[in-house]
Amino acid sequence: AQTVTQSQPEMSVQEAETVTLSCTYDTSENNYYLFWYKQPPSRQMILVIRQEAYKQQNATENRFSVNFQKAAKSFSLKISDSQLGDTAMYFCAFMKPLTQGGSEKLVFGKGTKLTVNP
Amino acid sequence: SAVISQKPSRDICQRGTSLTIQCQVDSQVTMMFWYRQQPGQSLTLIATANQGSEATYESGFVIDKFPISRPNLTFSTLTVSNMSPEDSSIYLCSVEDATRALQFFGPGTRLTVL
Repeated sequence: AQTVTQSQPEMSVQEAETVTLSCTYDTSENNYYLFWYKQPPSRQMILVIRQEAYKQQNATENRFSVNFQKAAKSFSLKISDSQLGDTAMYFCAFMKPLTQGGSEKLVFGKGTKLTVNP
Repeated sequence: SAVISQKPSRDICQRGTSLTIQCQVDSQVTMMFWYRQQPGQSLTLIATANQGSEATYESGFVIDKFPISRPNLTFSTLTVSNMSPEDSSIYLCSVEDATRALQFFGPGTRLTVL
């Protein structure tokens, strides 16, 4: 079974600075997807970024980028120029595609609570 | 991305009663998922609901406690039966965009059981 580990329960960063959230995972699969979701106090789960395991290039989405190290099974999220609105719980998640198409469930880490201070 | 709504957004219920949560999507989707997020915790999958077939439940979740309906490709319900305070959680539905291997979440239902 797949497991996802986020070792930082809480982090804080000053506005406009850069912060990196860590995530490691365990799987025997070769083809899979990794995600970072953001959950602000409104509790809405918002997709931040996605990485396909077969792509070596790290995914980027505006101020958000990942450092994907497949051999090390590491998937960290870097937030540049942090904004107050980035304050939220951040969940790392793993998903295995179904062989016949579609996808399986998301397996989530326990989350990292990020606070951006003014 | 799909627009997903859930009803109710929150509710306070008495133990021993049941609550049905609705999830509506603005487009047809094959797979819908129901997750539970206990206070201060991560999300755990309850079951996967495909239209036209019985829901598939994860270990630790049973149909008698969490019956699910999936009458069409845009709608699903989750019932939390015979509730106890331990059922107090946020319940979220998600839908799959199979072409892009993405899941999008509804806004969640915050349930408090007294």
